[in-house]
Amino acid sequence: KQEVTQIPAALSVPEGENLVLNCSFTDSAIYNLQWFRQDPGKGLTSLLLIQSSQREQTSGRLNASLDKSSGRSTLYIAASQPGDSATYLCAVEGDSNYQLIWGAGTKLIIKP
Amino acid sequence: GAVVSQHPSRVICKSGTSVKIECRSLDFQATTMFWYRQFPKKSLMLMATSNEGSKATYEQGVEKDKFLINHASLTLSTLTVTSAHPEDSSFYICSAQLRGGTDTQYFGPGTRLTVL
Repeated sequence: KQEVTQIPAALSVPEGENLVLNCSFTDSAIYNLQWFRQDPGKGLTSLLLIQSSQREQTSGRLNASLDKSSGRSTLYIAASQPGDSATYLCAVEGDSNYQLIWGAGTKLIIKP
Repeated sequence: GAVVSQHPSRVICKSGTSVKIECRSLDFQATTMFWYRQFPKKSLMLMATSNEGSKATYEQGVEKDKFLINHASLTLSTLTVTSAHPEDSSFYICSAQLRGGTDTQYFGPGTRLTVL
């Protein structure tokens, strides 16, 4: 049974720092892995999607990597800004049932 | 932990039929449930927000007569895609917000709808 873990559960850093969020999964048989952002009281935003055959994806200040064999993904945020404060979720999609298994999220606070 | 289930996980239907998708919070009460649709290339769209016992609030551009949402209890919300067409084929995801808790949403595993 696939399990997705995100560490840390919460993170608070000063503005301008580079930071890394971690996501690990127990079953490497995945179709893809996604990173999402959730703002308080609001909906979900898809940030990056990495197919199982890919190793990384980049969008602006965000870079997500995938190491399927070790069951790990990282989301790198460069030059963090207060507007980056949100909860970041990762989810893996199984390559057989195509359902999403969600991590519990990392709550990120960027201090001005 | 808080678990949200969706049923069915996959459904294939003919054009013109209606499909009902259930979203359940298994071990907690949810005052608010959200319905999302994920498009190809994985952009996610919030379709509507439903509160138990009241009408759902639809996002702009989402047809409320096309996507019927019922939140009859604190543990169940349903999304019915009426008169489905191939362009409705998508991945539908629900989430539930814990009653009396924070703004944390707990997400379901999704339902993949294919309309032939």
